[in-house]
Amino acid sequence: NAGVTQTPKFQVLKTGQSMTLQCAQDMNHNSMYWYRQDPGMGLRLIYYSASEGTTDKGEVPNGYNVSRLNKREFSLRLESAAPSQTSVYFCASSDTWGAAEAFFGQGTRLTVV
Amino acid sequence: GEDVEQSLFLSVREGDSSVINCTYTDSSSTYLYWYKQEPGAGLQLLTYIFSNMDMKQDQRLTVLLNKKDKHLSLRIADTQTGDSAIYFCAESKGDYKLSFGAGTTVTVRA
Repeated sequence: NAGVTQTPKFQVLKTGQSMTLQCAQDMNHNSMYWYRQDPGMGLRLIYYSASEGTTDKGEVPNGYNVSRLNKREFSLRLESAAPSQTSVYFCASSDTWGAAEAFFGQGTRLTVV
Repeated sequence: GEDVEQSLFLSVREGDSSVINCTYTDSSSTYLYWYKQEPGAGLQLLTYIFSNMDMKQDQRLTVLLNKKDKHLSLRIADTQTGDSAIYFCAESKGDYKLSFGAGTTVTVRA
């Protein structure tokens, strides 16, 4: 059971470089999310996709773009990486509205130098 | 996020009970959650409580909700070394978005 799979697990970027973080889920979930985790701040929602074909901004969307490629895949793109984007990024998915459990990937540790 | 607050650290002796506290500000929160994060891993849902409940028990875990004070707690009975982790409190209004606290790092000492 793969659940939520993120790639890559680690990445180092130079300031100004671009990259795409990939996320795929095999649970047939409707909703997918990207969070960033910074020390002492918990997880903050970057973007989410309530269902296939829709995406919406979360709490901290600046500097990021997303694509809900299909029901399984939700990618996060950094067009011009900045040191402030050094963080651990988590993708998550959930099934239905309400108390639905969100399943998280293992995370991508990104360092921008 | 700033809407959910929790203390950052808790140290507990193996076999004792742990109590992790959380306060939230949004009175329209519908669901309140406890997630566990082990080193190098993603978050795993431990339990959740609907806002019209006062208490929920699940094996060693007891969740207490004081809706009037907007206070949530997680009690872990007979704490074991495997319980060492970061515990996140989170809330949602039944929509797609979770708001998380900063996490409480629980260290279990022998």
